[in-house]
Amino acid sequence: SQQGEEDPQALSIQEGENATMNCSYKTSINNLQWYRQNSGRGLVHLILIRSNEREKHSGRLRVTLDTSKKSSSLLITASRAADTASYFCATDARQSNFGNEKLTFGTGTRLTIIP
Amino acid sequence: DGGITQSPKYLFRKEGQNVTLSCEQNLNHDAMYWYRQDPGQGLRLIYYSQIVNDFQKGDIAEGYSVSREKKESFPLTVTSAQKNPTAFYLCASSIGRAALREAFFGQGTRLTVV
Repeated sequence: SQQGEEDPQALSIQEGENATMNCSYKTSINNLQWYRQNSGRGLVHLILIRSNEREKHSGRLRVTLDTSKKSSSLLITASRAADTASYFCATDARQSNFGNEKLTFGTGTRLTIIP
Repeated sequence: DGGITQSPKYLFRKEGQNVTLSCEQNLNHDAMYWYRQDPGQGLRLIYYSQIVNDFQKGDIAEGYSVSREKKESFPLTVTSAQKNPTAFYLCASSIGRAALREAFFGQGTRLTVV
């Protein structure tokens, strides 16, 4: 089952504009992560935000987390053509019996930056 | 360089065949994962392993098998019982338990049934 759901599914913006993607999840989490995937490639980790954090920055990336609404947003400022990729949120889904945890990904937002 | 390597990059399987996808990491990570990605879709967890000689089923384990005999290696076998195996397969590893740390991904294996 998918823990996270990204919104929108696809987003096209002009180079230089800001891009905002949202992620909603269903159960309590320890952390939320954002990943990027270029077409046909593996995923690359962008940023991790812990459940007790509300905002985190990394370069042109800004991530917010609202645990009361079970949602997160990823903002990419001053977008570049090279930012064209799919972006996924990922959360932990705690197993009930053994304490193991697995990383569960959302369905992704396909971002296209128009030069 | 440290990293996680998947091979082969492309794999073709005939109906009724078992095939094994390789995943090797030299990051000294305890946890390893296999995901399946269908076109335009997110990642779905097949199997994961938190420690050597132990692994857990993910959300779509039917028709797949894994082993974790060595810390560095987590091969995935796609068996003939998997009726729709054509997909992009991604292996990942992390330093500890699941989402406490970032996961590192391989470049994927694209499996096609011919």
